[in-house]
Amino acid sequence: EIVLTQSPGTLSLSPGERATLSCRASQSVSSSSLAWYQQKPGQAPRLLIYGASSRATDIPDRFSGSGSGTDFTLTISRLEPEDFAVYYCQQYVSSPPGYTFGQGTNLQIK
Amino acid sequence: EVQLLESGGGLVQPGGSLRLSCAASGFTFSSYTMTWVRQTPGKGLEWVSSITSSGGTYYTDSVKGRFSISRDNSKNTLHLQMDSLRDEDTAVYYCAKRSAGSVRYFDYWGQGTLVTVSS
Repeated sequence: EIVLTQSPGTLSLSPGERATLSCRASQSVSSSSLAWYQQKPGQAPRLLIYGASSRATDIPDRFSGSGSGTDFTLTISRLEPEDFAVYYCQQYVSSPPGYTFGQGTNLQIK
Repeated sequence: EVQLLESGGGLVQPGGSLRLSCAASGFTFSSYTMTWVRQTPGKGLEWVSSITSSGGTYYTDSVKGRFSISRDNSKNTLHLQMDSLRDEDTAVYYCAKRSAGSVRYFDYWGQGTLVTVSS
């Protein structure tokens, strides 16, 4: 079973700052299977990034994804007030078929 | 506009049953793999089950033999039959549409329905 570990657990930053969120897999995963989601309180997760680096529809370009193998990163170049939320990474494995989520990074206002 | 609307959640005693539904609109429902994902405060997001467009089904180990996913393409509706419910099944259950093709992610989510298993 592949485990995704996100760090840090909580990140405290101010609007305008740069945020760097990490997702590390316990073994190498295909970049095409790595996605990032944003979740705000009381809401469903929202797709941000798929295929490790492709932005989903209507996602601002201040959000970017990178990485390969076991190390993936979500970067928010300049934080807006609406960006403070919990972020999850997710990957797909084919054998046996299934999906795994990281435990989340809580990005909070400093 | 893609919409997913879950229903059927509620309070149920341990050992009981519940059937969740997800009404889909805004896309060709029959063409896509559909999925249930649940969320608990302690364990975050957890994939529960998926059903492919051709009816193939997959489950996470903890629900195998207890949960059954199905779809009614004539009604654009996804179901999750949950039997022998346990305390640890308490969660918000989300219905999600999976992306097309070989790059697998969940591009649309419903608002979720709360299942509480408690005596």
